[in-house]
Amino acid sequence: QLVESGGDLVQPGGSLRLSCAASGFTFSSYSMNWVRQAPGKGLEWVSYINSRSNTMYYADSVKGRFTISRDNAKNSLYLQMNSLRAEDTAVYYCARWVYDNSAGSNWYFDLWGRGTLVTVSS
Amino acid sequence: EIVMTQSPATLSVSPGERATLSCRASQSVSSSLAWYQQKPGQAPRLLIYGASTRATGIPARFSGSGSGTEFTLTISSLQSEDFAVYYCQQYNNWPPLTFGAGTKVEIK
Repeated sequence: QLVESGGDLVQPGGSLRLSCAASGFTFSSYSMNWVRQAPGKGLEWVSYINSRSNTMYYADSVKGRFTISRDNAKNSLYLQMNSLRAEDTAVYYCARWVYDNSAGSNWYFDLWGRGTLVTVSS
Repeated sequence: EIVMTQSPATLSVSPGERATLSCRASQSVSSSLAWYQQKPGQAPRLLIYGASTRATGIPARFSGSGSGTEFTLTISSLQSEDFAVYYCQQYNNWPPLTFGAGTKVEIK
């Protein structure tokens, strides 16, 4: 399972670090992502990190402000969020990204956490 | 960036009826498309990947079709537990990974 933590109320311009604790699978073998969902809105991909932490990607909306990282020894995924804006207010999910070649070449999110709420407001 | 457009935004269906949800990509994504179901207060759940392959444990009443830019998710006979929001997502050309805005399936 995946369990997020670290969400909180923070002022605009502030920082926050989210964590995602993984259990029940070999965390070090999987790529991971953060996906967010603003209140009443749809899903927005935020960031990706591969299993070895040598490839990271970011949505343009967070590039330069957020940093994804992981600690395979601790089975944990992180998202450092700086220069937070009101539009970053959302539930943040960590999600496992799986490659499946059983029926073609496919990638998908097969395991999600329950999310942690980040509210950016003064 | 590939833009995913879902229609309709809301679909009102009676239990037992068929529901047809559409997803269109702004450029071809081949068959690199997934569908997710999300219920209130819950995380999304994978339904379909590769445009038409059901994920493990997904009932046969869910089916996906399409390729290129036009995709469909069909729920053949809606059960009470199927009323939810459904999202399509492309993974053919990323980053970024992109989702549609969702279709809410509600009880008629």
